[in-house]
Amino acid sequence: AQSVTQLGSHVSVSEGALVLLRCNYSSSVPPYLFWYVQYPNQGLQLLLKYTTGATLVKGINGFEAEFKKSETSFHLTKPSAHMSDAAEYFCAVARTGANSKLTFGKGITLSVRP
Amino acid sequence: DSGVTQTPKHLITATGQRVTLRCSPRSGDLSVYWYQQSLDQGLQFLIQYYNGEERAKGNILERFSAQQFPDLHSELNLSSLELGDSALYFCASSVDRGPDTGELFFGEGSRLTVL
Repeated sequence: AQSVTQLGSHVSVSEGALVLLRCNYSSSVPPYLFWYVQYPNQGLQLLLKYTTGATLVKGINGFEAEFKKSETSFHLTKPSAHMSDAAEYFCAVARTGANSKLTFGKGITLSVRP
Repeated sequence: DSGVTQTPKHLITATGQRVTLRCSPRSGDLSVYWYQQSLDQGLQFLIQYYNGEERAKGNILERFSAQQFPDLHSELNLSSLELGDSALYFCASSVDRGPDTGELFFGEGSRLTVL
């Protein structure tokens, strides 16, 4: 079985501050890891993904995440928050091969204060 | 705009009723996925179809069923509705067989309210 844990349900930062959203995964096989963002009244959009290779993954809108196998983590960061980053962020895991399923965490709501 | 179209956007119905949600995937995408999003359960994977065939199954209730038609659009049928079925139902599509091989593109969802 595979799962992801996103601690906390809400993170608030000031505009210009560092954004750090935590994600830990559990998988019996090497995982593929994803971060999706959901803006209000919209569907989910892929921010970035890790499959194989470089453990530091860069995504859209200045976000990046680092796969740390020893810590079973895939935390999402952005050096400087912008008001437009306010949204809900979902970490997700999938395993490879037949019957691959994308399993989402519960999500974290990011608020950005002016 | 992800290119995935879901109808209806909003639906209000009564307990015991049956509804059908429709999804048109992006042009060229062969896989369709259905997810249920609720406050208490989060995003739950229901089922995936690839080129007309069921490929993966998640936490889909027996009262729910889905299919993918030859033109690749998909329908999710929800029957004997209960209050707890109230949720946002997302459809996603991808060009490949699974989430490990291709990015999922999500529609804006169908919000179902059961009264």
